[in-house]
Amino acid sequence: GEDVEQSLFLSVREGDSSVINCTYTDSSSTYLYWYKQEPGAGLQLLTYIFSNMDMKQDQRLTVLLNKKDKHLSLRIADTQTGDSAIYFCAEYTGGFKTIFGAGTRLFVKA
Amino acid sequence: DAGVIQSPRHEVTEMGQEVTLRCKPISGHNSLFWYRQTMMRGLELLIYFNNNVPIDDSGMPEDRFSAKMPNASFSTLKIQPSEPRDSAVYFCASSYDTDTQYFGPGTRLTVL
Repeated sequence: GEDVEQSLFLSVREGDSSVINCTYTDSSSTYLYWYKQEPGAGLQLLTYIFSNMDMKQDQRLTVLLNKKDKHLSLRIADTQTGDSAIYFCAEYTGGFKTIFGAGTRLFVKA
Repeated sequence: DAGVIQSPRHEVTEMGQEVTLRCKPISGHNSLFWYRQTMMRGLELLIYFNNNVPIDDSGMPEDRFSAKMPNASFSTLKIQPSEPRDSAVYFCASSYDTDTQYFGPGTRLTVL
């Protein structure tokens, strides 16, 4: 069935790059998303990529999509303490459902 | 532009009481989703509406939960009677034609 998997934790030092990985199972994905959730807040849409793209860059964020391996990654350059949050990967395959991963908790050490 | 609005932001109630959570989607969006988030189970989709019609309520945990969308700008999620295991953060999200979802700030529910 449909599934999105992410590692649960990632710890990096301030100023380093963070790479958060995600794998998905449904090859008919139309869009793939990254959401950010800060403590006590809702999920904020960070960026998304169409399934016919390989890469998307938006300031410090770079999204890479490997359709063959069904692998999505989010790279955050020059990670700051304000980037500490939970990052959710999600895929939309059409119909009415978006499938969310369990979230990766990013810890940024000063 | 106002995002998704949820009320109340926090709700504390006693077991057995009725709880009503409210959501106002983004204007122009025609799909609305209710989610529940807990540490143990993560983010769970409870129900979604398209054009005010419930499409899939298979995620609703049991008959104590009900949701309505009387018009395009308002939805409620009701729990009656509430139980301690219902304690969670409940999110509403909306989208245009169900793809990119925008989330509200959530309602943190505590049932004592």
